[in-house]
Amino acid sequence: DIQMTQSPSSLSASVRDRVTITCRASQSIGSYLNWYQQKAGKAPKLLIYAASSLQRGVPSRFSGSGSGTDFTLTISSLQPEDIATYYCQQSYSSPQTFGQGTKVEIK
Amino acid sequence: EVQLVESGGGVVRPGGSLRLSCAASGFTFDDYGMSWVRQAPGKGLEWVSSINWKGDITSYADSVKGPFTISRDNAKNSLYLQMNSLRAEDTALYYCAREDTMIRAYDYWGQGTLVTVSS
Repeated sequence: DIQMTQSPSSLSASVRDRVTITCRASQSIGSYLNWYQQKAGKAPKLLIYAASSLQRGVPSRFSGSGSGTDFTLTISSLQPEDIATYYCQQSYSSPQTFGQGTKVEIK
Repeated sequence: EVQLVESGGGVVRPGGSLRLSCAASGFTFDDYGMSWVRQAPGKGLEWVSSINWKGDITSYADSVKGPFTISRDNAKNSLYLQMNSLRAEDTALYYCAREDTMIRAYDYWGQGTLVTVSS
């Protein structure tokens, strides 16, 4: 199975800060990397697919980059409504696997 | 509007069985593959099982292979997960998710149904 490792596990940042979350795959997955946002008590929501494509309706302050084994989710200007846990997921091969999550809080 | 509504969760003793259902609406159900993803209390997301649009190709996480069976009824716009021989480690919120096979991502999720395995 492909292991997905996110860092950091949690972070605290101020409103309008630039926030970066990284995700590393245990083997190359091309661009088959998705990012999800999960707010407390809610279902996950797709933010980014294919490493860098923004899902419809997602604010443009979210962006993704990377290929192969190293990927990044960036929030260009953190907003209070971005408080959530973020997960990466590889869809390169079965079983599809998720990272352990990164919890984002407001400082 | 796409909607996925799970049901069938509850409290069950170890070794027991449950059948989860997911009612889909707002899209052409048999155009999409579907999956179950679970989340143990306070933990991350774990893929459980997937089924293709036709229902003839299925896949399972190793942790559930054998006791769990995924199925669908396209005439009823419904997805199912039959869970047998349940263990405490199966306690989780079970989400139904639609897979957009063009982008290979889960683009819609239900709100989940809670399964608690406890004596």
